[in-house]
Amino acid sequence: GAGVSQSPSNKVTEKGKDVELRCDPISGHTALYWYRQSLGQGLEFLIYFQGNSAPDKSGLPSDRFSAERTGGSVSTLTIQRTQQEDSAVYLCASSLTTNSYEQYFGPGTRLTVT
Amino acid sequence: AQTVTQSQPEMSVQEAETVTLSCTYDTSENNYYLFWYKQPPSRQMILVIRQEAYKQQNATENRFSVNFQKAAKSFSLKISDSQLGDTAMYFCAFMKERGAQKLVFGQGTRLTINP
Repeated sequence: GAGVSQSPSNKVTEKGKDVELRCDPISGHTALYWYRQSLGQGLEFLIYFQGNSAPDKSGLPSDRFSAERTGGSVSTLTIQRTQQEDSAVYLCASSLTTNSYEQYFGPGTRLTVT
Repeated sequence: AQTVTQSQPEMSVQEAETVTLSCTYDTSENNYYLFWYKQPPSRQMILVIRQEAYKQQNATENRFSVNFQKAAKSFSLKISDSQLGDTAMYFCAFMKERGAQKLVFGQGTRLTINP
């Protein structure tokens, strides 16, 4: 079956602009996770969803970052007023439930802020 | 808070050799999972192997095996008969058994298999 998909694959934006990154989880997976992979910080957790609710937003780096999930499926990560330090690969993963240990990752979105 | 440390930023071996990647972690949890993920240039993270902390037996998946030392909080990955397709970044990761199921990753080891 189809895996986790993310769009766009690459995004270049100017400093100060808003961007939206999309994640389509594996069908039937109720848990969805966002991670950020950057040179300076490595791989870090941002937020996770169980259904449409986000019990843990502890990894969001600032209030410029927000995420939502609708219909228990697609999730959007929004970064407002982008800064150069937001440049990174944003990875999405899904799992059957939050009690499932295995997370399936998408190919990521490479964001470059110029 | 949990931390995961990979002390080898880069490693390089010849095809068919055996290579061991190191990982240590720090946690006050007694039950947890440990993972090794592979990230090839395509960026897609692929689960290589997992270990449940309550299991004393080391996990094995074909050419991949781990050496799990719970008391020492050490979790190394051994790749036997290495292949060119094993070239990738390898990440060690930790997950609590209960609570938020987020993964905590190490900094990664870039492994190159040379022909």
